Amino acid sequence: DTAVSQTPKYLVTQMGNDKSIKCEQNLGHDTMYWYKQDSKKFLKIMFSYNNKELIINETVPNRFSPKSPDKAHLNLHINSLELGDSAVYFCASSQEGSLGGYTFGSGTRLTVV
Amino acid sequence: GDSVTQMEGPVTLSEEAFLTINCTYTATGYPSLFWYVQYPGEGLQLLLKATKADDKGSNKGFEATYRKETTSFHLEKGSVQVSDSAVYFCALSDIIFDQFYFGTGTSLTVIP
Repeated sequence: DTAVSQTPKYLVTQMGNDKSIKCEQNLGHDTMYWYKQDSKKFLKIMFSYNNKELIINETVPNRFSPKSPDKAHLNLHINSLELGDSAVYFCASSQEGSLGGYTFGSGTRLTVV
Repeated sequence: GDSVTQMEGPVTLSEEAFLTINCTYTATGYPSLFWYVQYPGEGLQLLLKATKADDKGSNKGFEATYRKETTSFHLEKGSVQVSDSAVYFCALSDIIFDQFYFGTGTSLTVIP
């Protein structure tokens, strides 16, 4: 199936740990994104990558770092996790920039305890 | 800067009721407009889109018309079903800066 897939779906971890969320798209899209959705469903863009180049980097803590080994993957690494990092993280991809809309992954629910 | 404003929820309707979720936008230039739907426990799915003024996007019985004069893109459905219960997001794409802007989401619950 053509899609954006991200793993894991659920992640529970202790404060201070380092974790990664993986994202892969097989749609041939040029740009990939990471969004954070808080408990009120508000979506905030964190990063986007186009041809391995970071082109958007909102004011997120530098504990968060995106890594793109190739055009089809954009992984999210989080160091020294904090309680406030608990949220649902969505990966997305697009072709034609943003004009054609985004295709989203199913989300990773991160809970920091 | 660009932004999207949509009506606050939650919205609760009885099955077969008429649905309207309001969305207005501010943008420089001529953005594309979108509605996304998020079912419980799932990611966002593109519901419909319109790329220029007076375009009507439609899908699964939902419709929205790109109104440049009122800078609106209201989502409508004539008869909602329980399975339409979800969170709906209005969004626009900024051609100049190639960015996406989401509204805050409107939760819809349809009761039998």
